[in-house]
Amino acid sequence: AQRVTQPEKLLSVFKGAPVELKCNYSYSGSPELFWYVQYSRQRLQLLLRHISRESIKGFTADLNKGETSFHLKKPFAQEEDSAMYYCALWGTDSWGKLQFGAGTQVVVTP
Amino acid sequence: GAVVSQHPSWVICKSGTSVKIECRSLDFQATTMFWYRQFPKQSLMLMATSNEGSKATYEQGVEKDKFLINHASLTLSTLTVTSAHPEDSSFYICSADLETVIYNEQFFGPGTRLTVL
Repeated sequence: AQRVTQPEKLLSVFKGAPVELKCNYSYSGSPELFWYVQYSRQRLQLLLRHISRESIKGFTADLNKGETSFHLKKPFAQEEDSAMYYCALWGTDSWGKLQFGAGTQVVVTP
Repeated sequence: GAVVSQHPSWVICKSGTSVKIECRSLDFQATTMFWYRQFPKQSLMLMATSNEGSKATYEQGVEKDKFLINHASLTLSTLTVTSAHPEDSSFYICSADLETVIYNEQFFGPGTRLTVL
């Protein structure tokens, strides 16, 4: 069975401080991992996916297959980063079906 | 960019009535759409996969007779909550799958808040 775990429900950081959102997964095959973000009163949107290896809005995430992790990092948090972040997994045997983690609320204070 | 709309954005209905929620991909065609349910302060739970021109596939524990899905065209999927009860009150979100040469990406609708009295 596949599972996505986000251990932190709430992460409060100061502006300019580094932020790291943890995500661990369990899946027997080679999954695709995603980070989605939901800003206040807005719809869910894709932030980044591991296969693209991009940095979006200063965020990066590296897939660590040995530790089965896909942590999201940003070296200097901004107030506009305050949002709900969801880690999601797409299994190769469940095409298209996203398994979401519980989500982490990030609050960036000035 | 790819946009997905949902209608209505919120609905209040009496117990025992049926409610239809529409999900549209506005500027792209989607063979596959997905329906999720989100309880307050909880994550999205996949309910079913909607396939254009064929029957939807439901996740374990989701009653297909309760949540009727119709994907009649490449831009429209509907979710009908039949004989709604208060426990069906929730936030329903759809997504549409956009296929590109490189990869697939799901675009999400804004959600529909259902309240059953």
